[in-house]
Amino acid sequence: SAVISQKPSRDICQRGTSLTIQCQVDSQVTMMFWYRQQPGQSLTLIATANQGSEATYESGFVIDKFPISRPNLTFSTLTVSNMSPEDSSIYLCSVHVAGITEAFFGQGTRLTVV
Amino acid sequence: AQKVTQAQTEISVVEKEDVTLDCVYETRDTTYYLFWYKQPPSGELVFLIRRNSFDEQNEISGRYSWNFQKSTSSFNFTITASQVVDSAVYFCALRVDYGQNFVFGPGTRLSVLP
Repeated sequence: SAVISQKPSRDICQRGTSLTIQCQVDSQVTMMFWYRQQPGQSLTLIATANQGSEATYESGFVIDKFPISRPNLTFSTLTVSNMSPEDSSIYLCSVHVAGITEAFFGQGTRLTVV
Repeated sequence: AQKVTQAQTEISVVEKEDVTLDCVYETRDTTYYLFWYKQPPSGELVFLIRRNSFDEQNEISGRYSWNFQKSTSSFNFTITASQVVDSAVYFCALRVDYGQNFVFGPGTRLSVLP
């Protein structure tokens, strides 16, 4: 398995500002992902964080709005830029461990934009 | 494309009742994996069970059991003798063999009343 530490756990931010969310894993993992969960909704994949290269974004998500870094095999960051109230969501980091089928999730970052 | 449907938006039961959560999936792939995750009010996603497309054997694990039927593309999850701590949102998810990301259903909110 993998133990994932996600920071911050929650934040209240002013519109127009940016927030960077950190995801730290206790072991090297092959794949890291970022999901968004809007209030009362299911999880939507934002992007795959690629180590050493640009992230791969899903339809509807762009790098300018959600820049992602992954400098090594255990750490990634997601920035929510120029925030608006519509960005209020839970953001979750997820990892896949080689040889294990299920994904593991961080505890999530509950973001409120006012 | 893959799709996961959870027709039950919300379910309420009284403690000690059995409850079954329904999940129907769509995929054209012959190799895939199905999962159930639990999301308590704290927000993290907790992995519960996994089934691969080659194994239709239904199993019981403690108070949890699942019924996987390829003929109807269903992967239902049953909690026996429910407890208040089972109150959460439950997500069914699908992962195809070649892909790395998950497709989540919309979730079923389970409330277990004392």
